[in-house]
This record gives sequence, structure tokens and C-alpha cells, in this order.
Amino acid sequence: DAGVTQSPTHLIKTRGQQVTLRCSPISGHKSVSWYQQVLGQGPQFIFQYYEKEERGRGNFPDRFSARQFPNYSSELNVNALLLGDSALYLCASSLLRGGVYGYTFGSGTRLTVV
Amino acid sequence: AQKITQTQPGMFVQEKEAVTLDCTYDTSDPSYGLFWYKQPSSGEMIFLIYQGSYDQQNATEGRYSLNFQKARKSANLVISASQLGDSAMYFCAMREENDMRFGAGTRLTVKP
Repeated sequence: DAGVTQSPTHLIKTRGQQVTLRCSPISGHKSVSWYQQVLGQGPQFIFQYYEKEERGRGNFPDRFSARQFPNYSSELNVNALLLGDSALYLCASSLLRGGVYGYTFGSGTRLTVV
Repeated sequence: AQKITQTQPGMFVQEKEAVTLDCTYDTSDPSYGLFWYKQPSSGEMIFLIYQGSYDQQNATEGRYSLNFQKARKSANLVISASQLGDSAMYFCAMREENDMRFGAGTRLTVKP
């Protein structure tokens, strides 16, 4: 079975540009969450989507947005990129929205803003 | 507010010895889950072990065990018989309703 897949694996953008990151969850998983991990820190929660609806949002500016498609894949969009947006962006999927189930993470997209 | 605290930025352990990585948490929710993840330099978060708040016994998974002390709100990870491949970042995390919160992590280095 395929795990959580993210694309692209690496990309470099210029300040002010926009970027779209993609995530495909494990087959059957209906919940997708996005995390930002700045170098040297733990992952920070950005969004959770379940059944194509936003179920949770972390403390990130409106430049960050996301959506989930009918096949449960997801996109994370970041507008007006800043140098501080440089980070590893992790996508995680889980079977259910809440409770005590853990996540399966993808390998991440490493974004560098120059 | 910080909900997961890992006070050890870095730890060293000799190969084949045991090591304990500390984690304390803060929540008012009676139902929660505690997790430990390993993150090698490749970046992927690898699930190691899970402890539910209502579980009576400490979780174990192979060489990994979780020392769960609910009253003290601590969930320390014990790695027995350390191997060189255990060198990585280790994150403690707590799952609540809509998200999972992570600690700052501990970098473990296993010495040969």
C-alpha cells in the first residue's frame, strides 16, 4: 500500500511568489492535516481537513489556505511568500478526524524562499 | 500556550545501552493520545509508540517503551539496547480534537 505522498519534494521560490503543495493520503484515510516545521523546531499545526471541510486551523496568517478534494487529496497554498516561510511542510493523514488515532506522515516538501 | 515540553535538546548514549527521553504535557481534556515520533535527517516522521489517556498499562513496541505517569503528566520514551540507527530527532506529541501538538524535540546521538 502506498503511504502518504507529497509533491514536490523540494522547491525554491522568490519572495512574493505563490506556491501550491500537494498531498495524497493513504487510501481510505479521510482526514488530512498540514504542518510547518522550521529548522530546529517541532512541527506546527496549520490545517486539518476532514471529509472536504476545514476542521481546524492553527495560528497562521490568511496567506495560508488549503482545500481537500473529493478523493481526499489536499493542496496547501501559500501566497505572498516571505523568507520566514522557508520550512519543511509535512502532510499527515489519519483514518478519522479526532479521537486518539495517530497520523501517518509523508516525507514532506522542503520549501526555500529566497 | 506550550502544551508539550521536551527539556533535553540533545542526548548522547552509548551503543547497546538504554536511554530515556523526557516529555511532559498539559491538557484539561480527560481523553487524549500521546505519541512519539522519530525523524531522521530525511525528514519523514516515523511513528514509534502510542499511549492513550485511559490505558492502564505502559505501552511497549519492541525496543521502545513509554513510561506514562498520568498524575505527573509525563510520557517519557525509553529506548533499550540503543543502535547506531537510532540517531535522530525524537518528538513527543499529543493529539486532541483537531490537531496534534509537538514538542521541540530531542536530538539523540548514539555513540559506537
